[in-house]
Amino acid sequence: DTGVSQDPRHKITKRGQNVTFRCDPISEHNRLYWYRQTLGQGPEFLTYFQNEAQLEKSRLLSDRFSAERPKGSFSTLEIQRTEQGDSAMYLCASSLGQTGNEQFFGPGTRLTVL
Amino acid sequence: AQSVTQPDIHITVSEGASLELRCNYSYGATPYLFWYVQSPGQGLQLLLKYFSGDTLVQGIKGFEAEFKRSQSSFNLRKPSVHWSDAAEYFCAASGGSYIPTFGRGTSLIVHP
Repeated sequence: DTGVSQDPRHKITKRGQNVTFRCDPISEHNRLYWYRQTLGQGPEFLTYFQNEAQLEKSRLLSDRFSAERPKGSFSTLEIQRTEQGDSAMYLCASSLGQTGNEQFFGPGTRLTVL
Repeated sequence: AQSVTQPDIHITVSEGASLELRCNYSYGATPYLFWYVQSPGQGLQLLLKYFSGDTLVQGIKGFEAEFKRSQSSFNLRKPSVHWSDAAEYFCAASGGSYIPTFGRGTSLIVHP
């Protein structure tokens, strides 16, 4: 068990470009979550999956954002036509799908949009 | 609306001193409550959680928290702070879903 991993750790892109982040959860965890964290704020929920099904999306997740978890294992978060306001830390977490079970967080991907 | 408030943006303590970080929540019913710690370049790590039962919860690294329903609070405490405790601390709450609402965090600074 190597924990939750995220790739890349840092991404710098120009406004208007598309970016994709990857999250590998802990192997036996069936739930996977994406959060966004901006400076001086706590993580804000974006979306979560149970296995391969995307069960909930926050209103923060605009049409430019899409997430997938094709085989119920790793997940990708894509941002199309990036804007400067997308600059943030994107966190992934996973858990076993029982009420209140601890979410294990990855180190995050820091996105900077120039 | 559900919310979690951490009123202190920064807390400065001397090494060896006691610590209390404040957290208040606003939920329709008693939520599940959590404290996480985040060190620079690291993901969030769970310190402790409260679901029900004993209102004083013990966590890792010598931390504890007390749930007070009458005050809608879940304050984090440590009797003696170590320099390695310097980090960002987040309080979070969740209801019937599995999705926590986080406070904005409290930055702990430890002076030698």
